Amino acid sequence: DGGITQSPKYLFRKEGQNVTLSCEQNLNHDAMYWYRQDPGQGLRLIYYSQIVNDFQKGDIAEGYSVSREKKESFPLTVTSAQKNPTAFYLCASSPRGLAGGGEQYFGPGTRLTVT
Amino acid sequence: QQPVQSPQAVILREGEDAVINCSSSKALYSVHWYRQKHGEAPVFLMILLKGGEQKGHEKISASFNEKKQQSSLYLTASQLSYSGTYFCGTATMEYGNKLVFGAGTILRVKS
Repeated sequence: DGGITQSPKYLFRKEGQNVTLSCEQNLNHDAMYWYRQDPGQGLRLIYYSQIVNDFQKGDIAEGYSVSREKKESFPLTVTSAQKNPTAFYLCASSPRGLAGGGEQYFGPGTRLTVT
Repeated sequence: QQPVQSPQAVILREGEDAVINCSSSKALYSVHWYRQKHGEAPVFLMILLKGGEQKGHEKISASFNEKKQQSSLYLTASQLSYSGTYFCGTATMEYGNKLVFGAGTILRVKS
């Protein structure tokens, strides 16, 4: 089955620790995205990548880092510099990127709690 | 800049219709609509592109007024399964490769 997988579904960390969230897609999509959602709010873009080995900052990139070494993988690291890391993190992909008129599909998300 | 969605919330009875609006102050390249149920990821409903192209689910209809930078999502003969939060995401002509999402419209359908 084709799709976007994120693991784990729930993640708990102590303050001060870096944590990496996984995102894998087997849809052969070119573009991938990371969003953050806080309770009762919309989605905010953290980072996005349109091709392998290239990525751009979104609207709230501070305290986060990404890599895109393979087309199918786009991991997100939440560093200790992120002041309020507790949130629902959503990965998405698009067949040819939004600027190419492509739609965007979301993975199931990872709920991160930092205490 | 975040698009503005209206209404913030709406309650319907099964079979009734609803319209959800999304408005931007920027020139838009595309508008994307999603539905999210509590605790789950957003599900793609429709994309509307500048120039008139649309892609999405058969049972969903929407419009995109390019002059006014507004889009509307039409939910007809609502079912209980339509309940959730609806988000629009907009890509501007300046930044066509990323979406900015509205705050969402909560829809509740009652039997």
